[in-house]
Amino acid sequence: GQNIDQPTEMTATEGAIVQINCTYQTSGFNGLFWYQQHAGEAPTFLSYNVLDGLEEKGRFSSFLSRSKGYSYLLLKELQMKDSASYLCAVRDTGTASKLTFGTGTRLQVTL
Amino acid sequence: GAGVSQSPSNKVTEKGKDVELRCDPISGHTALYWYRQRLGQGLEFLIYFQGNSAPDKSGLPSDRFSAERTGESVSTLTIQRTQQEDSAVYLCASSLTGGVHEKLFFGSGTQLSVL
Repeated sequence: GQNIDQPTEMTATEGAIVQINCTYQTSGFNGLFWYQQHAGEAPTFLSYNVLDGLEEKGRFSSFLSRSKGYSYLLLKELQMKDSASYLCAVRDTGTASKLTFGTGTRLQVTL
Repeated sequence: GAGVSQSPSNKVTEKGKDVELRCDPISGHTALYWYRQRLGQGLEFLIYFQGNSAPDKSGLPSDRFSAERTGESVSTLTIQRTQQEDSAVYLCASSLTGGVHEKLFFGSGTQLSVL
């Protein structure tokens, strides 16, 4: 099975940088995804990591360390519209047909 | 279609009634997934379709839950004899082939409330 842990809530200031961590335990690893979900809306894809290292995409970056079972999502130059839940999801080799999601981190961006 | 479409967007039902939730995936996507999201919780996997077959039904919580897919397109999730614990948002997602590196595209969900 899988165990995915994320902080429940975080608060950060507009213009700042925030790092949302995700740790996971899997029997075999086949990739890690980050999704953004605004309240009442569908989750939308942010990033995908399958190899160790940093993937940068505009204001958002995602990092993966497979040996540590660890990932983080880095959000720079925070904007009010970044207030949302951020979901970490993992595919493992045993159940490659599905993504298993963590409970999500609710980020509140304040002035 | 342009995106994953789900209907209805909201459904209120009485305990004990049956409900059907519909999902129209992105045209050409062979992989289709159903998830459940209880208030304040993460996404809970229910079932995965590849074409019209369901190779992974491991997340269906009880035999009151069933799903089918026809024409490698639309899918219906049926909940029989609904219980209050079934209240949640039911999300459908699709991907092109179900490949392990593919991202899922989600619909906006059906908010189910069982009174």
